Order: sequence, then structure tokens, then C-alpha cells
Amino acid sequence: KAGVTQTPRYLIKTRGQQVTLSCSPISGHRSVSWYQQTPGQGLQFLFEYFSETQRNKGNFPGRFSGRQFSNSRSEMNVSTLELGDSALYLCASSLEGSGYTFGSGTRLTVV
Amino acid sequence: EDQVTQSPEALRLQEGESSSLNCSYTVSGLRGLFWYRQDPGKGPEFLFTLYSAGEEKEKERLKATLTKKESFLHITAPKPEDSATYLCAVLLNAGGTSYGKLTFGQGTILTVHP
Repeated sequence: KAGVTQTPRYLIKTRGQQVTLSCSPISGHRSVSWYQQTPGQGLQFLFEYFSETQRNKGNFPGRFSGRQFSNSRSEMNVSTLELGDSALYLCASSLEGSGYTFGSGTRLTVV
Repeated sequence: EDQVTQSPEALRLQEGESSSLNCSYTVSGLRGLFWYRQDPGKGPEFLFTLYSAGEEKEKERLKATLTKKESFLHITAPKPEDSATYLCAVLLNAGGTSYGKLTFGQGTILTVHP
């Protein structure tokens, strides 16, 4: 079966711009979580969506937001990009906590 | 505060030299402990989930075990293709604040030399 698909794989943006990343979960998975991975902080939880509702949110500023559509696909948006937002952004899909399958990630570089 | 600590930070082994990676956790209400493998530039690849103390799971050269305070990932006769970063993560029984939230350790970078 198809895995978790994240697009695009790579992005280069300028400070102050905004960016939207996309995640298509495994078919049938209704939970999608987002993580930021940096060399210094490791993997940090951003938020989780289930059936189009945000159920949980990590300690990130309001510039980070997301949404989930009726087909379970999810997007995350970062506004007013800062240099420190450069990271690998990962999404994971799950059948309600039974296991989390990650996508290959989107590598965002802010210049 | 919930904490997950992995050791060592880096481990260099010769091919065939068995060893163990450690993941210790200080959390309230463990729902599950996960092990992942991550290759450079890729997303974490799922290896195991452990739910209760005493549980063990095996896959090829890897074996994961769980106690009330830590988990071990044992690697038997490793090969160069086992080189990767190994991550452990915990999921808590904390109601709304735990939905979808895996708390990760910093990882162990494993290098296996031929």
C-alpha cells in the first residue's frame, strides 16, 4: 500500500515569505501529525489533526498553522518565515495511535 | 517534565560486533514506546512498538526490550547497511495533550564499519 506522501521535497524561501507544505496520509488513516526536525532540537511536535479537527498543538508560535481536509490530506503553513525555520518538516499518519508512519519530509531552507 | 534520553550519542562498531542502544524515559503514563531508524535526508522508518514492561520484539538483527524505565535496542552481528540514526519515542496516556504527540530522544548515530 502507498505510504505517506509529502510535497514538495525541497523548498527555498526568503525571510518574510510564507510557505505551505502538503501531506497525504496512508489510505484509511485519519490522524496526521506534523514535526519539525533540526540538528539542534531534534524532532519536535507541531500539531495533530483528526477528522479535520486540530486535537493537539505543540509549543510553536502562531506563525505555524495547519489544516486537514475531508480526505484526510493535511497542509501546514508557516507565515513570515525566519532563518530559524529552516528544517526538515515531517508528517506522520496513524490509525488512532496504533503506529505512526512518517513521510520522507520537506526540506525547507530560509535564506 | 517528560524526558526521553538516548545513549550513547554515537556508536561505532565493526561488522559483526554486537551491541545495545539505550533509551531511558521519565514520563507519567506510558502508552507506548517506539523505535525508528532514520537515514540521512529521509523520514524515520518504523521498527517496533512496545507497550508494557517485559515485552520484547525482534526483526532480523534487531531486538527491542522494555522495562519500566528504559528500553534497549540490541543489534546482533551488525552489517554496514545497519548504519543509521536510531530514534526512540514515547506516546503518553495523557488524554487530549497526547494525541499524535510522540516525544523523541535525540537519537544514537550508529556507524558499522566493514
